[in-house]
Amino acid sequence: QQQVKQSPQSLIVQKGGISIINCAYENTAFDYFPWYQQFPGKGPALLIAIRPDVSEKKEGRFTISFNKSAKQFSLHIMDSQPGDSATYFCVGGAQKLVFGQGTRLTINP
Amino acid sequence: EAGVAQSPRYKIIEKRQSVAFWCNPISGHATLYWYQQILGQGPKLLIQFQNNGVVDDSQLPKDRFSAERLKGVDSTLKIQPAKLEDSAVYLCASGTGIDPEAFFGQGTRLTVV
Repeated sequence: QQQVKQSPQSLIVQKGGISIINCAYENTAFDYFPWYQQFPGKGPALLIAIRPDVSEKKEGRFTISFNKSAKQFSLHIMDSQPGDSATYFCVGGAQKLVFGQGTRLTINP
Repeated sequence: EAGVAQSPRYKIIEKRQSVAFWCNPISGHATLYWYQQILGQGPKLLIQFQNNGVVDDSQLPKDRFSAERLKGVDSTLKIQPAKLEDSAVYLCASGTGIDPEAFFGQGTRLTVV
């Protein structure tokens, strides 16, 4: 019930393209859904987050789409850049944060 | 604002030895977390403190792992004795305790040989 399942495990996108990462969760007690970005040798850093009372949140090139009935949410990165190459984690949050397995994103120049 | 500080950055030990990691959270943050991140996986919560009290340690292997948070500020995580499968990055994070956002340190990479 605590799991957050993330796909794909790895993704290669051309510069300027759209990167899409999907997540599904089971625990209906989750009320906070952040995405974290992690570069090699660094700790995860919060990228963008959404609460279940909204269906979409956009910050710059990053958008979260949230479907409460399907218990799914996704991250869209528009105009993907080589600097976006990193590992992305979706997270379900309640009293604690439960991380997905991660998606390694590579943006080819 | 200074971030979460962790030390050491790297540690190599032999199995059955002991090791300790230190974390200094962001000033004023009430919540402190220790996560274990095995290579290729997402971080897994080991223990969560609110001030100096334990909120959740359900996934902490208590036969070998221990953690404390003195005076509700710094924290140490200890492993004794270490096993090969403990090789991982140990991440410390802190939060205000008011909203759920967690700020992570750079982690300590532990290799058990």
